[in-house]
Amino acid sequence: AQSVTQPDARVTVSEGASLQLRCKYSYSATPYLFWYVQYPRQGLQLLLKYYSGDPVVQGVNSFEAEFSKSNSSFHLQKASVHWSDSAVYFCALSRGGSNNRIFFGDGTQLVVKP
Amino acid sequence: EAAVTQSPRSKVAVTGGKVTLSCHQTNNHDYMYWYRQDTGHGLRLIHYSYVADSTEKGDIPDGYKASRPSQENFSLILELASLSQTAVYFCASSDPGQGNTEVFFGKGTRLTVV
Repeated sequence: AQSVTQPDARVTVSEGASLQLRCKYSYSATPYLFWYVQYPRQGLQLLLKYYSGDPVVQGVNSFEAEFSKSNSSFHLQKASVHWSDSAVYFCALSRGGSNNRIFFGDGTQLVVKP
Repeated sequence: EAAVTQSPRSKVAVTGGKVTLSCHQTNNHDYMYWYRQDTGHGLRLIHYSYVADSTEKGDIPDGYKASRPSQENFSLILELASLSQTAVYFCASSDPGQGNTEVFFGKGTRLTVV
């Protein structure tokens, strides 16, 4: 079975501070991993994805994430957050191949204080 | 740019009534999905389809039917709407056959059952 856990339901940071949103996954093989962002009353937009290779992947808007097979983690990071980064962030996992089921964590609400 | 369009964007339905949510994609993708999002939770898969005229059950199919009359269109049908089906519904598409497991989402339909 596969699953994604985001242990923090809500994270509050000050504008300009660094950010880490945590994601742990459970899957017997190496998964495809994603971070999506959801702004209010919008659908999910892809921030970044990891398929293989360099464990640090760069995404849009200066976000990056680091894959760790030993820790079964895929944490999202940003060096300096902006108030416009306030949104809900979802970590997701896919097994890839012809069966493209994607499994989501419950999301982390990010609040950036001015 | 890849596009997934949902209609309506919001709807109020009466308990016991029939509701149809529509989704249209211009991505030329084989796979389409219907997800449900409840407040404070991630997305749960209701139904999906990988070819026209065929649908598959996801994780929470009870109370829902799906229809895929063409590659571009995928509908979600609630024959007898219930209060517990109040949620935001997202349609999505992908094409893993192209080696890209990214999933593209519509903006969602907010359904309120009263």
